[in-house]
Amino acid sequence: AQSVTQLGSHVSVSEGALVLLRCNYSSSVPPYLFWYVQYPNQGLQLLLKYTTGATLVKGINGFEAEFKKSETSFHLTKPSAHMSDAAEYFCAVRANSGGSNYKLTFGKGTLLTVNP
Amino acid sequence: KAGVTQTPRYLIKTRGQQVTLSCSPISGHRSVSWYQQTPGQGLQFLFEYFSETQRNKGNFPGRFSGRQFSNSRSEMNVSTLELGDSALYLCASSLGSGPTYEQYFGPGTRLTVT
Repeated sequence: AQSVTQLGSHVSVSEGALVLLRCNYSSSVPPYLFWYVQYPNQGLQLLLKYTTGATLVKGINGFEAEFKKSETSFHLTKPSAHMSDAAEYFCAVRANSGGSNYKLTFGKGTLLTVNP
Repeated sequence: KAGVTQTPRYLIKTRGQQVTLSCSPISGHRSVSWYQQTPGQGLQFLFEYFSETQRNKGNFPGRFSGRQFSNSRSEMNVSTLELGDSALYLCASSLGSGPTYEQYFGPGTRLTVT
């Protein structure tokens, strides 16, 4: 079984400031980890994913995340926020096992507000 | 390549009715998953279909069902609608079934039950 906790349901930053969205996961098997973004009235778009290999993962729109196994974390960062980054962000985990229970489990989401 | 399409985009139903939502995956994708998104519960997995077979199922009552056709298009059905079924229903498609396959999401169907 797996679960995801996103710390902070709402994060507000100034344009040009660092964006840090926190995600901790729980998984009984080595996980695959994902960050998705959702703009109003739209579906989810994949920002980045960690499967195996390099623990620092770079995604679209300047975002990156680091898988830290010892801390069971997968925090999302962006050095400089842009107004267009305002959206809701979801962290998700799925088991990397070959069994049938590899469904995506999502966190509750973090709404990012960018102030001019 | 066209993305995942969902129809209808918006739907209003009355409690007790049933509803069918449709999802057309990206061309070539054979797996379709469904999710329910509500403010209270967040995003929850409903089920996954691959090659017309249900591969995975979430913790939802039997009122929620789905199917997949030979062309990979999928439908989900909710019978005896309850107010709590009001949600955004998202469909996601992937090339195959399994943890390594990336899921691509559609824009969703917003269902309102009155």
